[in-house]
Amino acid sequence: QQQVKQSPQSLIVQKGGISIINCAYENTAFDYFPWYQQFPGKGPALLIAIRPDVSEKKEGRFTISFNKSAKQFSLHIMDSQPGDSATYFCAASRGSTLGRLYFGRGTQLTVWP
Amino acid sequence: GAGVSQSPRYKVAKRGQDVALRCDPISGHVSLFWYQQALGQGPEFLTYFQNEAQLDKSGLPSDRFFAERPEGSVSTLKIQRTQQEDSAVYLCASSLVSHNEQFFGPGTRLTVL
Repeated sequence: QQQVKQSPQSLIVQKGGISIINCAYENTAFDYFPWYQQFPGKGPALLIAIRPDVSEKKEGRFTISFNKSAKQFSLHIMDSQPGDSATYFCAASRGSTLGRLYFGRGTQLTVWP
Repeated sequence: GAGVSQSPRYKVAKRGQDVALRCDPISGHVSLFWYQQALGQGPEFLTYFQNEAQLDKSGLPSDRFFAERPEGSVSTLKIQRTQQEDSAVYLCASSLVSHNEQFFGPGTRLTVL
């Protein structure tokens, strides 16, 4: 059973546009929600992360919105650039399992110049 | 500074062969994780070490998979009698302590013929 569900599977956005990727989870024990960016042939790299005590976190062009009651969180990429073209994974973890990450299936983002 | 390194980067094995995959975590990182990433999927947890202790191996898919971290630094993932379904990218990640930011290596792409 997929603990974290991610959508869409693929996303095409024009340069300068906003990219939005959504994730949902069921386990209310999750208390750490990172987003990872992965380029072909590379390992995932942490982009931004949030804990459930805040509803939004912004770092540069990247923003996480978190809705605890709906058990959903999303990544917004403002002013999307061709260099943002990559696969994005949401994930979740909880302290009781020592931080093992449960990943979504990924979103392949393509930003057209 | 040096990140997580993995070797070999690519491994081709004939079905039935044994393979050993190496992970060098970031120096001083207590926690070490192994994940398996099938093509087009998100990483799936395999096992977790805190120093030399293997605290969670619930994600290992069969008893053909074995991991060790004898001195609390370098870790090796061994797969015995490889099968075609073992073909995947094997990712190693380390973190300073458990339930904290995980830094991923580039992965080892295993192809079983």
